Amino acid sequence: AQSVSQHNHHVILSEAASLELGCNYSYGGTVNLFWYVQYPGQHLQLLLKYFSGDPLVKGIKGFEAEFIKSKFSFNLRKPSVQWSDTAEYFCAVFTDKLIFGTGTRLQVFP
Amino acid sequence: GAGVSQSPSNKVTEKGKDVELRCDPISGHTALYWYRQSLGQGLEFLIYFQGNSAPDKSGLPSDRFSAERTGGSVSTLTIQRTQQEDSAVYLCASSSRTGRYQETQYFGPGTRLLVL
Repeated sequence: AQSVSQHNHHVILSEAASLELGCNYSYGGTVNLFWYVQYPGQHLQLLLKYFSGDPLVKGIKGFEAEFIKSKFSFNLRKPSVQWSDTAEYFCAVFTDKLIFGTGTRLQVFP
Repeated sequence: GAGVSQSPSNKVTEKGKDVELRCDPISGHTALYWYRQSLGQGLEFLIYFQGNSAPDKSGLPSDRFSAERTGGSVSTLTIQRTQQEDSAVYLCASSSRTGRYQETQYFGPGTRLLVL
């Protein structure tokens, strides 16, 4: 069965620190990959997505992710986080349905 | 607004009662999904509709759970004889999916269900 692993369950950073959240998936076929974000009290929002083409994709709010097919990974990065990035981040893979990772809770302190 | 809407936003019920949760997808979106978000289980797929048909019901946890979609638009998720383990946030998403791939799902705010 397809699965998605997010290795960091809880990340605490200071503002301006760099961020990398890991995401690995298990599926050998064609995949669409997503990162969703859930800010406190808000609903899930799309951060970025990869369908095909350039494996480095850029999303909203300065986030980017790199698809590395050989590693089955789709890690999320941001060079300098802000307090407003405090949220829960979900990696997801779409095969015929969206399979989500367990999420990473990011706390950014001023 | 043009987003996915869900009602009620919160629902408290007693064990054994039936509940109905409603989802209004983005206008024109043919695909509709239900997910459940609970502590310890993360986000779980429940059911997928394409139009009024449900080609994938594989995530429904038991026969107490059912869903329907009418007019290719509004969907209702029904939980019969609710149990405490049904307590969770139920999320609905829609997309303009027409093929197997290349779709983006847009999520509603969810219904927070608490079964006492």
